[in-house]
Amino acid sequence: GQQLNQSPQSMFIQEGEDVSMNCTSSSIFNTWLWYKQDPGEGPVLLIALYKAGELTSNGRLTAQFGITRKDSFLNISASIPSDVGIYFCAGSGGGADGLTFGKGTHLIIQP
Amino acid sequence: DAGVIQSPRHEVTEMGQEVTLRCKPISGHNSLFWYRQTMMRGLELLIYFNNNVPIDDSGMPEDRFSAKMPNASFSTLKIQPSEPRDSAVYFCASTVGGTGNTIYFGEGSWLTVV
Repeated sequence: GQQLNQSPQSMFIQEGEDVSMNCTSSSIFNTWLWYKQDPGEGPVLLIALYKAGELTSNGRLTAQFGITRKDSFLNISASIPSDVGIYFCAGSGGGADGLTFGKGTHLIIQP
Repeated sequence: DAGVIQSPRHEVTEMGQEVTLRCKPISGHNSLFWYRQTMMRGLELLIYFNNNVPIDDSGMPEDRFSAKMPNASFSTLKIQPSEPRDSAVYFCASTVGGTGNTIYFGEGSWLTVV
């Protein structure tokens, strides 16, 4: 099956710092999605990417669909306390392939 | 608009008891997914339905787990008998169209089997 490697597993940063996380896959994806999960809640979609090379922003968040279609990154600029949570990447090869999720990046922000 | 609605939000049950988790997908969505989340294994797809029909149940751990979708607005995930290793958060999610599309999650059912 498809394998997704998400890194880093966790990040401890200071408020105001920029954050970068990425996912790589063992196969080509047609869709990359980034979700955030707050404690006690379900994952919430942040950004969806459907085209190789696509760069999309959502406020302080920016995500890119890698040219090789095997990777994606998510950047958060000027982190704030409410950015704390678990960030998941998810990808799909399309057709009958379902979404494969990464293991998540735990973001912890120190004031 | 209402999102995916799951119940119960929290359940604590004794080993051997039957557990039924419920889900109402977003109106108009025709694909429904059940995921399980644990610290060790992350998010695992258990089963997904398209137009109320189970398409892929290869993620269902064993015969103790079963899922049904009797109509477009309701699905259940049942565990019988439950075991402590079933303790996890169970998410229902829905989308329109194919499995590679953006899916929207419910808030989860937090299950503890003691």
